[in-house]
Amino acid sequence: QVQLQESGPGLVKPSQTLSLTCTVSGDSISSPYYYWSWIRQPAGKGLEWIGLLYSSGSTNYNPSLKSRVTISGDPSKNQFSLNLNSVTAADTAVYFCARVGLAAAGDNHNWFDAWGQGILVTVSS
Amino acid sequence: QSVLTQPPSVSEAPRQRVTISCSGSSSNIGNNAVNWYQQFPGKAPKLLIYYDDLLPSGVSGRFSGSKSGTSASLAISGLQSEDEADYYCAAWDDYLNGVVFGGGTKLTVL
Repeated sequence: QVQLQESGPGLVKPSQTLSLTCTVSGDSISSPYYYWSWIRQPAGKGLEWIGLLYSSGSTNYNPSLKSRVTISGDPSKNQFSLNLNSVTAADTAVYFCARVGLAAAGDNHNWFDAWGQGILVTVSS
Repeated sequence: QSVLTQPPSVSEAPRQRVTISCSGSSSNIGNNAVNWYQQFPGKAPKLLIYYDDLLPSGVSGRFSGSKSGTSASLAISGLQSEDEADYYCAAWDDYLNGVVFGGGTKLTVL
């Protein structure tokens, strides 16, 4: 059974870079059957998709965050990471990593079938 | 403002049936799988329905999903107090080339 665990600083200063890591167990981030993703949720608000890491290593980002986001994978550690630069208070949220299940390889019919517990990141000086 | 539109809240009595709607467009719901997530306060979302109407293993058969055109619905029958949660719909959007979520619906079991 796959498990995901987010880790990283809980407090980031404005204008700095938010860096989080998701450690995956029970599956491989190199698996051709899944993608990997980051989602966030400000307190009391809805879910916002941040971006996607394909099994090939390529990425896809939310257009609203694209200029500030980098998602990368480290197959040797079975981890994938999120970097969000130039953060402001608006980036304060719980950040989730998730596995993306697919109807078929390369398909846009996909869903988040496993989630990490989430990590609260506060942007404040 | 979310790309997918859900009612902010719904309520119904125990043992009754409730539906939650999710409205989108041809670039998302109309062309891609709709998925539903259940979230309890302070917890991670959980996949409830995927690919429009499929139940993941372990999810109660009281939950069901449907889709018609650019709208989708989640139905919960035999409501129980433990169903009180936030429910989100989501789908891939071909125009934005990414995943879009609904704003979420808070279910209250009266």
